[in-house]
Amino acid sequence: GQNIDQPTEMTATEGAIVQINCTYQTSGFNGLFWYQQHAGEAPTFLSYNVLDGLEEKGRFSSFLSRSKGYSYLLLKELQMKDSASYLCAAVSNDYKLSFGAGTTVTVRA
Amino acid sequence: GAVVSQHPSWVICKSGTSVKIECRSLDFQATTMFWYRQFPKQSLMLMATSNEGSKATYEQGVEKDKFLINHASLTLSTLTVTSAHPEDSSFYICSARGKIDYEQYFGPGTRLTVT
Repeated sequence: GQNIDQPTEMTATEGAIVQINCTYQTSGFNGLFWYQQHAGEAPTFLSYNVLDGLEEKGRFSSFLSRSKGYSYLLLKELQMKDSASYLCAAVSNDYKLSFGAGTTVTVRA
Repeated sequence: GAVVSQHPSWVICKSGTSVKIECRSLDFQATTMFWYRQFPKQSLMLMATSNEGSKATYEQGVEKDKFLINHASLTLSTLTVTSAHPEDSSFYICSARGKIDYEQYFGPGTRLTVT
C-alpha cells in the first residue's frame, strides 16, 4: 500500500520562505511529484524527483531522499498568488500516483 | 504541448440519471488515462486506470458497474456515472500519461452536482 504524509496547513508572510515536508511509504517507487492546486481547479505540475538531491526551478525547489522516504518543496520569495494547496504524490511501478492529503499554504501580506 | 481537456466543466443532474464525462488528450497519444475524484478539502483519490483498448482497472471500493469507463482511442476516455446519487457529487479529474515518462497531465476537472 501507499502512505503519504504532509502537513495540513502552513502560513507565511509575503517574501518569506516556506518548506513543505512529505514522507512516503510505497510498494515500488518511481519518483515523487509536487503539484499546486488552487481551489476548484485541477493540479498543475511543479516538479518531479527520481534521484536523490535538490532540483531548483526558479522560486521553487524540490528535494528527495529515497533512503529516508522524504521529500520537501521549498517556496522562496513568497507571493500572494502562491496561496494554494500543494500536493505530494509518489508514483509506483505501475505508473499510479498516490497523493498526500495536501498542504494548504496561506500567504499573508 | 501535453494538453488534456475535459467536457463538461460542470454538470448538474437529477438523482437516478446518468452523466458522461469526456477526457481528451489534445496533442499527444495517451496510452493510459486515470480518473480521480476529489471531495471538498480532500486530496485526489484514484478511481480507476484506463488503458486504450482494454478494460479499466478499478481501485478497491470503486463500483465498476456504477462508474463505467471506456477508452476507445488513444486520445479519448469517458467516465459515465450511472444512476447518480447526491453522494456522487464531487470534482472528477482525469489525467493522461504519454508513452515515455511518468508524468501525468491533468485535465481541468468536471464538477458534478447531483440534486
